Amino acid sequence: EAQVTQNPRYLITVTGKKLTVTCSQNMNHEYMSWYRQDPGLGLRQIYYSMNVEVTDKGDVPEGYKVSRKEKRNFPLILESPSPNQTSLYFCASSPYAGSSGNTIYFGEGSWLTVV
Amino acid sequence: GIQVEQSPPDLILQEGANSTLRCNFSDSVNNLQWFHQNPWGQLINLFYIPSGTKQNGRLSATTVATERYSLLYISSSQTTDSGVYFCALEGKTSYDKVIFGPGTSLSVIP
Repeated sequence: EAQVTQNPRYLITVTGKKLTVTCSQNMNHEYMSWYRQDPGLGLRQIYYSMNVEVTDKGDVPEGYKVSRKEKRNFPLILESPSPNQTSLYFCASSPYAGSSGNTIYFGEGSWLTVV
Repeated sequence: GIQVEQSPPDLILQEGANSTLRCNFSDSVNNLQWFHQNPWGQLINLFYIPSGTKQNGRLSATTVATERYSLLYISSSQTTDSGVYFCALEGKTSYDKVIFGPGTSLSVIP
């Protein structure tokens, strides 16, 4: 089954404790991205990757890191989480960027609370 | 960059009623999708529709790319249709950027 898998789905952590949210897709997609969703602000892109070893900042990259060492995985790293990073996070993938037929697939979301 | 608007922002329907949700965009698009975010937060892909018309059960969508809008029709609404509906699109001149509309929040009451 084609899917994007994120883990953990739910996490409560403390300020400053490094955490990683993993994302994996099994569709051989080139393009992957991370979004956060906050009330009243909609979905905002954090980082994206157009292929292995190619990553770029989205609209709200501060406080986050990513890596794309393999095509299927795109982890989101919070080196020193702060309460303002409490949010619902989505990983997404699509076959490629910039062409027609580019359906986006989302993971189920990760609810992160930083206290 | 490309601007996306959705209307109405909020909608309350009686079960069984029909509705039309609209997505306007300011530039040509390569890709356009409609998503439903259910009350548990999951984003469910409804339609991939950069142009033309598609139907899936009680839902259908039409995109008129030349006039820069897309419509999502919900017929015979059910309480399970409640949630937020987003259009998301990729502009032809910003190929690496997916832009989400602000969403339409739909509540279907019994």
